[in-house]
Amino acid sequence: GNSVTQMEGPVTLSEEAFLTINCTYTATGYPSLFWYVQYPGEGLQLLLKATKADDKGSNKGFEATYRKETTSFHLEKGSVQVSDSAVYFCALSDNAGNNRKLIWGLGTSLAVNP
Amino acid sequence: ETGVTQTPRHLVMGMTNKKSLKCEQHLGHNAMYWYKQSAKKPLELMFVYNFKEQTENNSVPSRFSPECPNSSHLFLHLHTLQPEDSALYLCASSHATSGSYNEQFFGPGTRLTVL
Repeated sequence: GNSVTQMEGPVTLSEEAFLTINCTYTATGYPSLFWYVQYPGEGLQLLLKATKADDKGSNKGFEATYRKETTSFHLEKGSVQVSDSAVYFCALSDNAGNNRKLIWGLGTSLAVNP
Repeated sequence: ETGVTQTPRHLVMGMTNKKSLKCEQHLGHNAMYWYKQSAKKPLELMFVYNFKEQTENNSVPSRFSPECPNSSHLFLHLHTLQPEDSALYLCASSHATSGSYNEQFFGPGTRLTVL
């Protein structure tokens, strides 16, 4: 079945460091891919998405490119801030069948130190 | 209030208690969801409602009973829970149209502890 694998955290970085959080997936068909972020004490928010191969999603300085050849959707940011400290979830949506179902990764906790 | 709200934010209950979680969305959506978030596990979809009708139940034990009286409100009734049911329960809403994925908007969750 479909699945999402994220790198394990926690990830700890200093402010202005480069961030990469790896995400790979297994899916049949042509899924859409997402990154959600959960700030402390809050629910999940959609950070960015990509709906087809080679699409690049971007938001708030974060980027991720849908790579079908490597089945990956790695999240990157060139210079992290303390306010980016949160848990990041990679997810896919199977566009066939029940399109409202998301398959989630385990989440990667990011802590950014000043 | 804006977005998706959930009450209470924290709940501690014994195994013999009955309690309810409430979710309300102010986004004009017509699909609502309950998720369970446990440490070191993927987010688990529990129930989905579209236009007040339950369209998905992911083999959730009967001690969890959802109710959706209208498109803006969703409840999760709890009774005779087990300690392993302790988790963060998240509510979400979205537009419920066919076709490509519709973004789900999440509430802040209810942190449930079962003693």
